[in-house]
Amino acid sequence: DQQVKQNSPSLSVQEGRISILNCDYTNSMFDYFLWYKKYPAEGPTFLISISSIKDKNEDGRFTVFLNKSAKHLSLHIVPSQPGDSAVYFCAASTGNQFYFGTGTSLTVIP
Amino acid sequence: GAGVSQSPRYKVAKRGQDVALRCDPISGHVSLFWYQQALGQGPEFLTYFQNEAQLDKSGLPSDRFFAERPEGSVSTLKIQRTQQEDSAVYLCASTGLVSRQETQYFGPGTRLLVL
Repeated sequence: DQQVKQNSPSLSVQEGRISILNCDYTNSMFDYFLWYKKYPAEGPTFLISISSIKDKNEDGRFTVFLNKSAKHLSLHIVPSQPGDSAVYFCAASTGNQFYFGTGTSLTVIP
Repeated sequence: GAGVSQSPRYKVAKRGQDVALRCDPISGHVSLFWYQQALGQGPEFLTYFQNEAQLDKSGLPSDRFFAERPEGSVSTLKIQRTQQEDSAVYLCASTGLVSRQETQYFGPGTRLLVL
């Protein structure tokens, strides 16, 4: 039973444009959400997080939006750069357990 | 280096063989997590340590899986009598404090292939 879902396996965006990666979850008990970036043969690297008491968190080019009523999370990257090309995982937490989505492979085209 | 390291990076095992995967967390990090990532999937939680105490092992898929962290630093994930479905990347992550809102730093993973 997948509690965190990323329904788009891949996404291609032109350099300089906005990348929007989406994530849906089913467990209303999740209260902390994260995005990770992963390059091949490396472990995931933390990008940005948001607590359930907020609906937006921004860090440079990265903004995470949380819609609790829709159980939906999104990551916006503006402007997108070729170095952003990687697999992006969203994750949700309750207690000490973290649940990950299946990832979205982002390709930023120069 | 200052990051989380894992060894071996790659392991090929024959079905039925026992394997041991090692994780060296960032020095001083209190919390340590193990995850299993199957091909095309996201990481799935296996177990969690706070110092040497294994506080949650609910994600371990069977009693063939065993993890330990006897001195609160290095951790070992052992898989007995490996099966083909155990083939996956095993990721280790550590955090500096107990709070789960601390950033988890991941190692590069051990890719296990069971033939």
